[in-house]
Amino acid sequence: AQSVSQHNHHVILSEAASLELGCNYSYGGTVNLFWYVQYPGQHLQLLLKYFSGDPLVKGIKGFEAEFIKSKFSFNLRKPSVQWSDTAEYFCAVNIARPGGGNKLTFGTGTQLKVEL
Amino acid sequence: DGGITQSPKYLFRKEGQNVTLSCEQNLNHDAMYWYRQDPGQGLRLIYYSQIVNDFQKGDIAEGYSVSREKKESFPLTVTSAQKNPTAFYLCAAAAAGANVLTFGAGSRLTVL
Repeated sequence: AQSVSQHNHHVILSEAASLELGCNYSYGGTVNLFWYVQYPGQHLQLLLKYFSGDPLVKGIKGFEAEFIKSKFSFNLRKPSVQWSDTAEYFCAVNIARPGGGNKLTFGTGTQLKVEL
Repeated sequence: DGGITQSPKYLFRKEGQNVTLSCEQNLNHDAMYWYRQDPGQGLRLIYYSQIVNDFQKGDIAEGYSVSREKKESFPLTVTSAQKNPTAFYLCAAAAAGANVLTFGAGSRLTVL
């Protein structure tokens, strides 16, 4: 069964610091990869996704993630965080199926707090 | 506006009682999902439905039941058999063949 690991459970950064959140998955086949974000009091929403092509994907609000197939990783990065980035971040993996259909497996989440 | 509506937002239940959480979507999406969110455990899939009148168990289906009689509705019943029902429940939907989920605002269930 596929699994997703997020090694950083709580991260505290000062504004303007750089961010990297780790995500590793266990599945040897073709995968679709996602980062979702949950801001305080808001819906879970998509931050960025990777299906195929360029392994460096750009998302909203200046976030990016790099898919490294050899490392089974999909780490999330942002060069300079803002206080408004305070949220919980979830990595998710879906095994690509020819006929479609989803069964996303989520990581345990990383709570990011950005201090002024 | 289009989206997913979950109700109630907060629910309290006594031990031994069944409770049903509502999930309605007006996105015309075929697939719907129920996840449970617990601190430090991320989101875990309870049940999902790819099409009306069909649904499959997720990773933690024990103590839960669902129905999918209409495309727009996917209610979740938390039964008395669920050993630890206090949690935040999230409903989601996706278009057929798509891989991106749209989530509702969630329902927080507390068992007293």
